[in-house]
Amino acid sequence: SAVISQKPSRDICQRGTSLTIQCQVDSQVTMMFWYRQQPGQSLTLIATANQGSEATYESGFVIDKFPISRPNLTFSTLTVSNMSPEDSSIYLCSVRTGEHEAFFGQGTRLTVV
Amino acid sequence: AQSVTQLGSHVSVSEGALVLLRCNYSSSVPPYLFWYVQYPNQGLQLLLKYTTGATLVKGINGFEAEFKKSETSFHLTKPSAHMSDAAEYFCAVSRSNFGNEKLTFGTGTRLTIIP
Repeated sequence: SAVISQKPSRDICQRGTSLTIQCQVDSQVTMMFWYRQQPGQSLTLIATANQGSEATYESGFVIDKFPISRPNLTFSTLTVSNMSPEDSSIYLCSVRTGEHEAFFGQGTRLTVV
Repeated sequence: AQSVTQLGSHVSVSEGALVLLRCNYSSSVPPYLFWYVQYPNQGLQLLLKYTTGATLVKGINGFEAEFKKSETSFHLTKPSAHMSDAAEYFCAVSRSNFGNEKLTFGTGTRLTIIP
């Protein structure tokens, strides 16, 4: 199993600013995944972060808007840049372990005003 | 590409009644299937998973699901609903069990329990 600590748990931000979300895992993992959950919707994968290389972004997501860092095997950050109200969502960090399933952080609830 | 379809964005059942949440998947390879539950203002918690072997899998809180390859389905059931089951439920599929493989989620089903 894996325990994921994500922070902040929530924030209210002004449009045009940026927010960096941190994700800490209690064990070393190869890949870390960042998802977005817009209000009332399902989870959409933003990008996959591999330690030591550039993150891989899904269609519709770009590095300039969602830069990701992965400095080591237990930590990653996602930045939401130049925010607009459309970025108001829950952002979730996730990892997969040898038991097949994915584990998730508690999420960061972002409101952009 | 893989996809998941969850029929019914909202399901209401009476307390003590059968819970049935539907999930159909599309996958070009043998799938790995998961059900997750999300309680209000919380992250996702794994209910159960199908990887290989027995097609009827049992999970936490009395839930179970059956993998039916011929129907490409993985419906979630619970014989008797409890008030604490009220939550959002997500079905997900992966093409492998490797740690570098993403999960693709369905749109979710919000379960309401009627007292």
